[in-house]
Amino acid sequence: AQSVTQPDIHITVSEGASLELRCNYSYGATPYLFWYVQSPGQGLQLLLKYFSGDTLVQGIKGFEAEFKRSQSSFNLRKPSVHWSDAAEYFCAALPQGGSEKLVFGKGTKLTVNP
Amino acid sequence: ETGVTQSPTHLIKTRGQQVTLRCSSQSGHNTVSWYQQALGQGPQFIFQYYREEENGRGNFPPRFSGLQFPNYSSELNVNALELDDSALYLCASSWTSSLGEQYFGPGTRLTVT
Repeated sequence: AQSVTQPDIHITVSEGASLELRCNYSYGATPYLFWYVQSPGQGLQLLLKYFSGDTLVQGIKGFEAEFKRSQSSFNLRKPSVHWSDAAEYFCAALPQGGSEKLVFGKGTKLTVNP
Repeated sequence: ETGVTQSPTHLIKTRGQQVTLRCSSQSGHNTVSWYQQALGQGPQFIFQYYREEENGRGNFPPRFSGLQFPNYSSELNVNALELDDSALYLCASSWTSSLGEQYFGPGTRLTVT
């Protein structure tokens, strides 16, 4: 079955530290891949997306993600975390050429310590 | 450009009742998708509407139904509410050629007691 897995439920980092959030997907063919962020009481905001081509994708708010086909992964990174980055992060996948049914992981909650 | 809006923000209903949630798409978008996000979970796809027709459905029973109007706004209707229907309901709009780039509203928090 098509699925997206985010192995870390909760991550805590100090402000200024680097961040990596993990995401693995299980699909027959490489899907389109997305990272969304959700602040408390808010909807989802798209951080970045991967369709094809360059495996390192730049997004908004200083985030980037690297697609690794051999590991079926699409990990999100940020070199230096700000307190305002505290939120929940969701990885999502969409089958290429199919309907626009996004499949989400369960999310990773990020806490940023001062 | 107006973003995706949803109403109401919060709603409390009793088991067995019916509820209607509303969504206004972002300007220029012709596709609306609805998601259910239970507490501590990722959003789960309910269904999608394109040009007023259902265009894909997730694993939700028929008591979850929807409508899309000519102005591309949308409604989600849930009949015979169950306690497990308590969740944040998210609406997302997109343009058909956007390759899945969906824009989400703030959601409606539904509590069923």
